[in-house]
Amino acid sequence: NAGVMQNPRHLVRRRGQEARLRCSPMKGHSHVYWYRQLPEEGLKFMVYLQKENIIDESGMPKERFSAEFPKEGPSILRIQQVVRGDSAAYFCASSPGPSGRPAYEQYFGPGTRLTVT
Amino acid sequence: GQNIDQPTEMTATEGAIVQINCTYQTSGFNGLFWYQQHAGEAPTFLSYNVLDGLEEKGRFSSFLSRSKGYSYLLLKELQMKDSASYLCAVRVLYSGGYQKVTFGTGTKLQVIP
Repeated sequence: NAGVMQNPRHLVRRRGQEARLRCSPMKGHSHVYWYRQLPEEGLKFMVYLQKENIIDESGMPKERFSAEFPKEGPSILRIQQVVRGDSAAYFCASSPGPSGRPAYEQYFGPGTRLTVT
Repeated sequence: GQNIDQPTEMTATEGAIVQINCTYQTSGFNGLFWYQQHAGEAPTFLSYNVLDGLEEKGRFSSFLSRSKGYSYLLLKELQMKDSASYLCAVRVLYSGGYQKVTFGTGTKLQVIP
């Protein structure tokens, strides 16, 4: 009974490179959230997706950041031309969506720690 | 939008009881979560309250007052392993029943011998 999976767990990128973070939801969950956590800070909502649809991207920076959740495969958070300020832990959480029982259920993956040098 | 307040840090003694408060202001409130997060790890689910009152689960209890916009997490018989951050998070529903969860900044609890 696999939980939420994220990879890679650690990612080092130089300034200007691209970072791709992957998230596979729990079995039976079709909705994915991405959060960012800076050191010693709380979790900040970035984007909420279901398969082939972005439900809410109000927390995403307007430039360089994008997210998708294709029909097949994991959800991907993509950061282009990374800068030092992008260094953070990025957590993915999955939920069953409105039809889930319980619908509020939300479980987190282990996170990807991105370091930009 | 949502506004969630909780203390930044707390210290308590092993074996004691500690109460971590959370106040919130939000429209469309539809429930409140508490998560535990150890340093360098993912948040883990502790509790979910949607109705007023106290819910007890072992050493942990969570209370909600919707009219006051207030919740607390009560930890009894503290153990050293309870040293962690405790995150209060508010759930709101979009049309269609989709949920959005907004987190407070967390309370870092240190348990001392």
